[in-house]
Amino acid sequence: DIQLTQSPSSLSASVGDRVTITCRASETISLYLNWYQQKPGKAPKLLIYDASTLQSGVPSRFSGGGSGTDFTLTIHSLQPEDFATYYCQQSYHTPYTFGQGTKLEIK
Amino acid sequence: EVQLVESGGGLVQPGGSLRLSCAASGFTFTDHWIHWVRQAPGQGLVWVGRINTDGSRTSYADSVKGRFTISRDNAKKMLYLQMDSLRVEDTGVYYCARDPPMGRTRMDVWGRGTSVTVSS
Repeated sequence: DIQLTQSPSSLSASVGDRVTITCRASETISLYLNWYQQKPGKAPKLLIYDASTLQSGVPSRFSGGGSGTDFTLTIHSLQPEDFATYYCQQSYHTPYTFGQGTKLEIK
Repeated sequence: EVQLVESGGGLVQPGGSLRLSCAASGFTFTDHWIHWVRQAPGQGLVWVGRINTDGSRTSYADSVKGRFTISRDNAKKMLYLQMDSLRVEDTGVYYCARDPPMGRTRMDVWGRGTSVTVSS
């Protein structure tokens, strides 16, 4: 199975900051990496797919990059509603593994 | 409104069985593969399995293979997860999620989840 390792596991930041979360795959997965946001008690929400394509309706302050084994999710100018847990997920082959999550908290 | 609604969760003893349902509405159900994803209390997301559009192909995580079965009834726009030989570690919230018909796998619409507790 492909392992995904996110860093950091948790992060404190302030409104207006720019933050970057990293996801590293245990083997190359081309561009087949998705990012989700989850708030407490809610279902996950798709933010980015195929490494850098913004899902419809997602604010443009979210961006994704990378290929192969190393990927990033960047949030430009954090807003109060962005404080949540973020997960990467590979769609290269089954089982479609997720990273362990990065919890973004308010400083 | 595009919607997925899970049901059927509850408390079950280890070794028992449970069938979860996922009702789809607001979109062409037969265009989409559907996934099940679970989340243990306070833990991350774990992919459980998926089913193709006509129900002829399924894939499962190793942790549930041979115990869980995904099926669908396209006439009723329903997805099912039959869970047998349940273990304590199967406890969690179970989500169904839609996979768009074009491009690589991703989950663009999720249900709110249904909670399963396996305990004696």
